[in-house]
Amino acid sequence: AQSVTQLGSHVSVSEGALVLLRCNYSSSVPPYLFWYVQYPNQGLQLLLKYTSAATLVKGINGFEAEFKKSETSFHLTKPSAHMSDAAEYFCAVGSGGYNKLIFGAGTRLAVHP
Amino acid sequence: DAGVIQSPRHEVTEMGQEVTLRCKPISGHNSLFWYRQTMMRGLELLIYFNNNVPIDDSGMPEDRFSAKMPNASFSTLKIQPSEPRDSAVYFCASSPGTETQYFGPGTRLLVL
Repeated sequence: AQSVTQLGSHVSVSEGALVLLRCNYSSSVPPYLFWYVQYPNQGLQLLLKYTSAATLVKGINGFEAEFKKSETSFHLTKPSAHMSDAAEYFCAVGSGGYNKLIFGAGTRLAVHP
Repeated sequence: DAGVIQSPRHEVTEMGQEVTLRCKPISGHNSLFWYRQTMMRGLELLIYFNNNVPIDDSGMPEDRFSAKMPNASFSTLKIQPSEPRDSAVYFCASSPGTETQYFGPGTRLLVL
């Protein structure tokens, strides 16, 4: 069965600092992996997804994630945080059937001046 | 493309009343998902449909909750009778069969 663990429910960084949000997954089949972002009072938006084409995946707003099979990780990074990046971020793994996704608990990112 | 459309965006009702949430998926998508989000429990999958057929409703919390998808362009989630603990944001999402889900803006439900 698939599962996702996001390490750290809250992360705080300074504007301009590196953003690193951690995600580890468990999957019995080659996984599809996703990062979604949720801004206040909005639905979830797709940031990026991994579908086995390339291990380094680039997404919107300068975010990227690297798939590391040996570490079963799919951490999200951004070199320089912007105030507008403050949001909740969800990692998800495809469960292999009917397009169902298993979501992590989310990480709330705060960016301070 | 209009994206996933949900209505109403906000709903305030009294305990015991029936509540109906509506969702119009993106045209051409064959999977539809209903989620509930609360501070305490995070994002929970309630039920999902594939080609209008319910596949898994194991996330539906109680018999008070029911969902239908009468056609490919419309789904409802009904709570009858509603209780204060049902207060949450309810999201609908659809997928074209690529495992990517596209979320609607959500319905914020408050049951007094």
